Amino acid sequence: EAQVTQNPRYLITVTGKKLTVTCSQNMNHEYMSWYRQDPGLGLRQIYYSMNVEVTDKGDVPEGYKVSRKEKRNFPLILESPSPNQTSLYFCASSPLQGARNEKLFFGSGTQLSVL
Amino acid sequence: QQQVKQSPQSLIVQKGGISIINCAYENTAFDYFPWYQQFPGKGPALLIAIRPDVSEKKEGRFTISFNKSAKQFSLHIMDSQPGDSATYFCAARRGSARQLTFGSGTQLTVLP
Repeated sequence: EAQVTQNPRYLITVTGKKLTVTCSQNMNHEYMSWYRQDPGLGLRQIYYSMNVEVTDKGDVPEGYKVSRKEKRNFPLILESPSPNQTSLYFCASSPLQGARNEKLFFGSGTQLSVL
Repeated sequence: QQQVKQSPQSLIVQKGGISIINCAYENTAFDYFPWYQQFPGKGPALLIAIRPDVSEKKEGRFTISFNKSAKQFSLHIMDSQPGDSATYFCAARRGSARQLTFGSGTQLTVLP
């Protein structure tokens, strides 16, 4: 089944403890992106990647890191989480060519709470 | 910062009624306007989308109306059903980087 898989689904951590949220897609998509969803703010883009080893900042990149060493994986790293990073996070992917290149495929989300 | 303003924040409609959600944008560089539907516990999923050279697009009960001069677009759900109850996000894309700017979302409840 074609899908974007995020792990973990739920995560509770404490301020300053490094964490990684994994994202993997099995559709051979070039484009991958991370969003955070907050009430009243919609989804805001954190980082995106157009292909392996190519990443760029979105609208709210502060406090986050990403890497794209393989085409299928795009982990989100919080080196020193803070309470204002408590949010619902979504990973998404999309092909860059072809008839479906305008559709973003989203994972099921990771609910992060930073205490 | 690029913005897409969405209204209303929440909407309650009777079964069979018409649901209308509105969005407005500022940046004329946006070239693609999708709507995403999100059910509780799930990620958003593309519902319908339009390009600015078209004034209307219809897919089944869902229609996007686009007004380029006013920089506004809206989603109309005809014959709304309880299964349509979800959160709807409008979005606008700029450039070849596929960067989407999302609206703040509308929680739609369709009463049986």
